[in-house]
Amino acid sequence: DQQVKQNSPSLSVQEGRISILNCDYTNSMFDYFLWYKKYPAEGPTFLISISSIKDKNEDGRFTVFLNKSAKHLSLHIVPSQPGDSAVYFCAASEGNTPLVFGKGTRLSVIA
Amino acid sequence: DTEVTQTPKHLVMGMTNKKSLKCEQHMGHRAMYWYKQKAKKPPELMFVYSYEKLSINESVPSRFSPECPNSSLLNLHLHALQPEDSALYLCASSRGQGRDTEAFFGQGTRLTVV
Repeated sequence: DQQVKQNSPSLSVQEGRISILNCDYTNSMFDYFLWYKKYPAEGPTFLISISSIKDKNEDGRFTVFLNKSAKHLSLHIVPSQPGDSAVYFCAASEGNTPLVFGKGTRLSVIA
Repeated sequence: DTEVTQTPKHLVMGMTNKKSLKCEQHMGHRAMYWYKQKAKKPPELMFVYSYEKLSINESVPSRFSPECPNSSLLNLHLHALQPEDSALYLCASSRGQGRDTEAFFGQGTRLTVV
């Protein structure tokens, strides 16, 4: 049973536009959420996180929104750049438990 | 230094070989992890070490044997692997296992079992 779901395997966006990556979770005990970015042949790189006590966290071009009632979070990238093309993993944890990852969404930013 | 360093980057081994994967971090992190990632799949947790003690083993076969010689090093000893064990093996570390502690990942070791 998948606790963290990324239902869109891929997403294409034009350069300069907004990219929105979505993630749903089923475990209401998750209290910390993260986004990782992964280029081919590299390990995942931490991008941005949000605690369950917040509903928004912003870092430069990246903003993560959390809707606890809907058990949904999203990552917004504005403006999107070709270098943002990668696989994005959503991850969640509950207390001291290790991260649970979604299956990833491949983002392609087209120049 | 915010790096997790893994060696080797690539490894090809036969099913009767014994090899080891190495991971090193100098961020003072006290939790270290091994993940396995197959193509187009998310990383799957294998082992967690917390304060140099094995705290989680996700029912990993005994042909994978982790070792944490000290707080900066994490090894994964491999023996009698199967071709289906071919994958990207990722090491990660974090300050602890509590809230608000993101994990930093290494570049991974691409393992091919022939």
